[in-house]
Amino acid sequence: DPKIIQKPKYLVAVTGSEKILICEQYLGHNAMYWYRQSAKKPLEFMFSYSYQKLMDNQTASSRFQPQSSKKNHLDLQITALKPDDSATYFCASSQDWLGGQNTLYFGAGTRLSVL
Amino acid sequence: AQKVTQTQTSISVVEKTTVTMDCVYETRDSSYFLFWYKQTASGEIVFLIRQDSYKKENATVGHYSLNFQKPKSSIGLIITATQIEDSAVYFCAMRPVNTGNYKYVFGAGTRLKVIA
Repeated sequence: DPKIIQKPKYLVAVTGSEKILICEQYLGHNAMYWYRQSAKKPLEFMFSYSYQKLMDNQTASSRFQPQSSKKNHLDLQITALKPDDSATYFCASSQDWLGGQNTLYFGAGTRLSVL
Repeated sequence: AQKVTQTQTSISVVEKTTVTMDCVYETRDSSYFLFWYKQTASGEIVFLIRQDSYKKENATVGHYSLNFQKPKSSIGLIITATQIEDSAVYFCAMRPVNTGNYKYVFGAGTRLKVIA
């Protein structure tokens, strides 16, 4: 059974709309992350959370807003969608954010297409 | 700035042989963690193996092993007895420890094709 669940697996949206990508992890980890992978770029770090607190944000646009309602839950809200936002968004988690138990484990991803 | 470079875009090998994938990194940190991940055709990203920079011994997990050369800032992934199922894209990643910058940086990936 997958330990990091991302929903939906595929998402098609129209330009200007808003979508929420869901992520839940059942590994008992304390840190969660969002990464983006587009066709011509390597995995790109977006956000990191530790104990539901934002630790790092590398996303220039405020259109991307992570939301953590529980320690094992980190959603990603994207507003005013643009075609350039089309990518696969991966949620990841690690036991710790700062310590040595920092190996990332990834969910299966949400493939977003913005038309 | 941290940087990870994988110069091999694509490699093809015959099944049951050994393959080495290269990765070099740049960091000013004295301590850091290095990782290799595999992305399958379905898109799933799987953790394979890690090397802590303060450890001199090369990490080994199953048929994956690392060639860690710290003076060269190099962390090669070695896959022995390759199988068709090893066909995937392999990513190298680095995470610094003590500069206040804790982001993981990934390389662009090397596509491995294992042929019968």
